[in-house]
Amino acid sequence: GESVGLHLPTLSVQEGDNSIINCAYSNSASDYFIWYKQESGKGPQFIIDIRSNMDKRQGQRVTVLLNKTVKHLSLQIAATQPGDSAVYFCAENMKTSYDKVIFGPGTSLSVIP
Amino acid sequence: DTGVSQDPRHKITKRGQNVTFRCDPISEHNRLYWYRQTLGQGPEFLTYFQNEAQLEKSRLLSDRFSAERPKGSFSTLEIQRTEQGDSAMYLCASSLRGGFNTEAFFGQGTRLTVV
Repeated sequence: GESVGLHLPTLSVQEGDNSIINCAYSNSASDYFIWYKQESGKGPQFIIDIRSNMDKRQGQRVTVLLNKTVKHLSLQIAATQPGDSAVYFCAENMKTSYDKVIFGPGTSLSVIP
Repeated sequence: DTGVSQDPRHKITKRGQNVTFRCDPISEHNRLYWYRQTLGQGPEFLTYFQNEAQLEKSRLLSDRFSAERPKGSFSTLEIQRTEQGDSAMYLCASSLRGGFNTEAFFGQGTRLTVV
């Protein structure tokens, strides 16, 4: 069945270091992937997305890497800041239902000042 | 525009009672989504609307759950005969359109506690 999961439930990073959050997915039909950030008491916030025909996409301080061979997704945050502390979710869509986003369980990122 | 608005932010109810939540999407967003999120988990898709039409419902949406978007603007999610297992955060999101590369904006959610 469809599933999106994360390797590490928690991650602690020193301020200024780079963070890498990993995600595995199992559905080969997944066509579109999204990373969300959720701060305490708030709804998820879009960070960056990538389509299955790409391997890498860069945003401001964030990079998403997609390895379709091993069904692996990662989010890299450069120069991690205290404001980056949150729970990060990877999510997937399939061509057949772009409106139905399937979320993974989340990784909690803590930035140590 | 202040984003997606949900009301109430918190709701405590006794088991067996009915509850109704409201979501006001961003103006002109024709897609509206409901998700449920339990502690430590990612949001789970419940249903979505395109304007006033409900286009997809998850198997999670039992017959005790009903969602409406009567005029294609705000939406309500009602849970009848609440059970303790219904305790969760109910999130609403909206997007300008559907499909790939369309960002969905989430509200802050309604936290339901069934006692």
